[in-house]
Amino acid sequence: DSGVTQTPKHLITATGQRVTLRCSPRSGDLSVYWYQQSLDQGLQFLIQYYNGEERAKGNILERFSAQQFPDLHSELNLSSLELGDSALYFCASSVGDSSYNSPLHFGNGTRLTVT
Amino acid sequence: ILNVEQSPQSLHVQEGDSTNFTCSFPSSNFYALHWYRWETAKSPEALFVMTLNGDEKKKGRISATLNTKEGYSYLYIKGSQPEDSATYLCASSDFNKFYFGSGTKLNVKP
Repeated sequence: DSGVTQTPKHLITATGQRVTLRCSPRSGDLSVYWYQQSLDQGLQFLIQYYNGEERAKGNILERFSAQQFPDLHSELNLSSLELGDSALYFCASSVGDSSYNSPLHFGNGTRLTVT
Repeated sequence: ILNVEQSPQSLHVQEGDSTNFTCSFPSSNFYALHWYRWETAKSPEALFVMTLNGDEKKKGRISATLNTKEGYSYLYIKGSQPEDSATYLCASSDFNKFYFGSGTKLNVKP
């Protein structure tokens, strides 16, 4: 058990809808990362927050947004959903704000299916 | 965006075989190299974090080396066991952005 909690585990929704994915980081970790894994693709970095502030942005679509709250949990909001947004979304946390000696601890992911 | 490549894509070995796979990454702007083990139906789990050229790390039968000048890292598994079956991911970072390879899927047959 990594200590990172993601909810929900599964989400099925229709095109055009909006969903929110939630992540609680491991106790003591200040950084939260969001990753997307589409079919036959590797983990694609979306965005990172550290102690409530956005620190790095990857290939995150404008329809997607995220935030990290004072209690350090994070939410990823996906709107105007398209079929191609169907994927496994992972949250990961780490102690520091950089990769130096600070591994990622992954949650179990949220599987999003857009129909 | 860093282009991280892993080879081979998949590997089938017999129990007891030793094996190794490669992670290639751009050597410019290198900050750290991470290895993760990803078992089916679970989430990726950190194996090693490597930062210095020439770094060697070991955890049980698994070890890894790092060459930052030429941009590659090797992961070795000695005496593979069926429980080693998993996808092994590497990620290169340029500070806080991690770029993952597609992984090497290892299947160890009893």
